Amino acid sequence: QQPVQSPQAVILREGEDAVINCSSSKALYSVHWYRQKHGEAPVFLMILLKGGEQKGHEKISASFNEKKQQSSLYLTASQLSYSGTYFCGIPIQGAQKLVFGQGTRLTINP
Amino acid sequence: DAGVIQSPRHEVTEMGQEVTLRCKPISGHNSLFWYRQTMMRGLELLIYFNNNVPIDDSGMPEDRFSAKMPNASFSTLKIQPSEPRDSAVYFCASSRGAANYGYTFGSGTRLTVV
Repeated sequence: QQPVQSPQAVILREGEDAVINCSSSKALYSVHWYRQKHGEAPVFLMILLKGGEQKGHEKISASFNEKKQQSSLYLTASQLSYSGTYFCGIPIQGAQKLVFGQGTRLTINP
Repeated sequence: DAGVIQSPRHEVTEMGQEVTLRCKPISGHNSLFWYRQTMMRGLELLIYFNNNVPIDDSGMPEDRFSAKMPNASFSTLKIQPSEPRDSAVYFCASSRGAANYGYTFGSGTRLTVV
């Protein structure tokens, strides 16, 4: 039931773009995205609730494709502050119980 | 809003000892979650409560683990007896409880069992 994220790790230079994918083997009704900096707690970024919906947070946006059972997170013109591990979370059994992917570590270098 | 408050931040204990982790959720949030994070297993949901009632404890690894939520502003996760493999960061999170609300995580408790 755990969603699969790809890639596992990304290294970028400041200003470059990145895409992080989250796929599920089961039907998706919504997707959460969180960012965790080293030694800190995960921080909520956004939820996508509808098929094809896109949302944005700073220069970070996401899309959600119900048919493909996947969501993608887009980081545009990355900043040093975007470094961290990104997790997608999907509700299980139509409930609030979130199962998280294994995470994608993003490193932004100057 | 002080956020989700967890204590202690760090706990080092000897194998066999009892450990109690504490959490105060955000006022007005009626759902509370306990997660465990390790390098090997990532973020695992242990148990969650709605309106102080345990809804799903299927993630609790063994009978050594127990959780309570006696009121809307306090929850505990207890491990008795503790084992080295319990070493992890334990996060508490709270939410308003509806599908379109995200979780707010506490700062976590880093537990080391030696």
